[in-house]
Amino acid sequence: GAGVSQSPRYKVAKRGQDVALRCDPISGHVSLFWYQQALGQGPEFLTYFQNEAQLDKSGLPSDRFFAERPEGSVSTLKIQRTQQEDSAVYLCASSLGDRGVYGYTFGSGTRLTVV
Amino acid sequence: AQTVTQSQPEMSVQEAETVTLSCTYDTSESNYYLFWYKQPPSRQMILVIRQEAYKQQNATENRFSVNFQKAAKSFSLKISDSQLGDTAMYFCAFSFMRFGAGTRLTVKP
Repeated sequence: GAGVSQSPRYKVAKRGQDVALRCDPISGHVSLFWYQQALGQGPEFLTYFQNEAQLDKSGLPSDRFFAERPEGSVSTLKIQRTQQEDSAVYLCASSLGDRGVYGYTFGSGTRLTVV
Repeated sequence: AQTVTQSQPEMSVQEAETVTLSCTYDTSESNYYLFWYKQPPSRQMILVIRQEAYKQQNATENRFSVNFQKAAKSFSLKISDSQLGDTAMYFCAFSFMRFGAGTRLTVKP
């Protein structure tokens, strides 16, 4: 596609509910990143994929957070047993290469609200 | 550990004037990239400018330029001839996408 697509754009979840957020990167982009952005804050790194390999998941805040990219294209970020502190915008970015050689393109994000 | 620090939470500038946003970072890597991103209220992150650490020449993109001081680990963004559309959050970011906390820039008419 022409850009990075994220869905849903908005998600309201009841506390304790599981959610799945989808990222569809630009076709052919090798690298894919997930970020969590709290209101008024900068994005916080969650995890990084190079093709289907998850090379860095050091930013995932707990074992309730899980990300996958099984075929090296679409990625899903899953949050189990959501809590109020999970409320944030979740951003996805993709890149043709790594280390920013070709720059990164961001999606518009999914705003998750846990009530 | 890689850290990115933006010490100016908010700034304002008059339309058509010049403003400089500050960013410092810390890393032990020798080859890396630095970025400035703009995030308007629509929350779409837009790449403003990119600097490769091994290049001594400061990057320039139209009205946007950087002052990259590698030894000081400083990477400031200068916006010339500020326009109302420049109003946004600006984030400094490091290679593997560690972001600073952001600077909210308001351009006043």
